[in-house]
Parts: sequence; structure tokens; C-alpha cells
Amino acid sequence: GDSVTQMEGPVTLSEEAFLTINCTYTATGYPSLFWYVQYPGEGLQLLLKATKADDKGSNKGFEATYRKETTSFHLEKGSVQVSDSAVYFCALMIDRGSTLGRLYFGRGTQLTVWP
Amino acid sequence: NAGVTQTPKFQVLKTGQSMTLQCAQDMNHEYMSWYRQDPGMGLRLIHYSVGAGITDQGEVPNGYNVSRSTTEDFPLRLLSAAPSQTSVYFCASRRSGEMTEAFFGQGTRLTVV
Repeated sequence: GDSVTQMEGPVTLSEEAFLTINCTYTATGYPSLFWYVQYPGEGLQLLLKATKADDKGSNKGFEATYRKETTSFHLEKGSVQVSDSAVYFCALMIDRGSTLGRLYFGRGTQLTVWP
Repeated sequence: NAGVTQTPKFQVLKTGQSMTLQCAQDMNHEYMSWYRQDPGMGLRLIHYSVGAGITDQGEVPNGYNVSRSTTEDFPLRLLSAAPSQTSVYFCASRRSGEMTEAFFGQGTRLTVV
């Protein structure tokens, strides 16, 4: 079935370090891919998205490129800040047929950034 | 702008009790979903709905019921609470169509003792 696999955390970085959080997916069709972020005590909110191969989603300095050949959607940021400390979720959606309406999430990666 | 509203924020139940978690959205979204979040497990889909009168099971539906009588509301019912249902529950809604953003409520932290 459709699923998402994220690198396990927690990830601890110093401010201004480079961040990569790996995400790979398994899907029977051609999914849309998302990264969501959850700040402490809050619900999830959309960070970025991509709908087809080679699309790059970007927001707040974060980027992720939809790689069909490697079924991946890795999240990157060149210089993290303390305020980026949160849990990051990779997700996929295939809004057709039996998976209509479903949004699948990875297990989440906790990021802590130290000053 | 209210968005997705969940009530209550916190709840403690005794084993065997029943209760309903409320979820309401004011964005006229067709799709609504319930997830539970457990440490190390990410978000797992409990039930979802693609429109009023239409619901379906997700990955972990056992012990939960839903109904969707209106576009706005999507309550989640725990029939007979068990300690394994201790979790944080999130409701989400989105428009139909691919690549649409899901909007989440603030969550309900449920403890079953």
C-alpha cells in the first residue's frame, strides 16, 4: 500500500547548520507530496508541497524536490534557526479511486536547534 | 477566522466510558479526517469523510465511530474507552482535489485510566 518513510530522529543541530531530513515514499500511482511542521503544543501546518516529478517546493528557506526516480522528497535548509525547532512530517496524497481523500504521514522527525 | 475547531482540548476518561470528540470547520471543505498521534508512530488515520453522508475507515478504526451529517461537523465517538486509546487526536479538513492543503485543529489530549 501507499506509505511514507522518514529518517528517524531526533536531529540536533547548531544554529546556521545545514539540515537534511530524508523522506521516501511507496505509491501505486503518482502522488502529491508534502512537508508539514508541528510546533510544540500545536496542530500541523503545511510547510511546502510538490505535485509532480522534478517540482521543487519551497517556503521559509526550506526546500524539497520531488524525485520520481528515487521516490524521494528530502527536506533541506541551508541555515537553520532556533525557531525551526519542531517536528517535521512528510506526507503523500493520491486523490483517486480507493485512496480518495486520504493523506498519509511519515512518523515525524524531531528537530532541535541550539543557539 | 476559526478554521478547524476541536473540543475539548484535554479529557480524562475511565476505562469503559464513552465520549465524543467534536470537530467543526468553517471553510466549506469537503474532506475531513481524524488522526491519532502517538510517540514514534507519527499520525495514523482513524476515519475520514469525502462529503456529508460519506465516511470510510482509515488505518486504525477499531473502537471509534464517526458520522458526517453536515459539511461542517465530523465528530469522533469512542464507544468504550480503553487505555490503548490514550493519545493526542487531531481533526483535519481540506478541499477536494489534488495538492490541496490540509488544515488541522489544535488537538485533543485524551487520557484513559
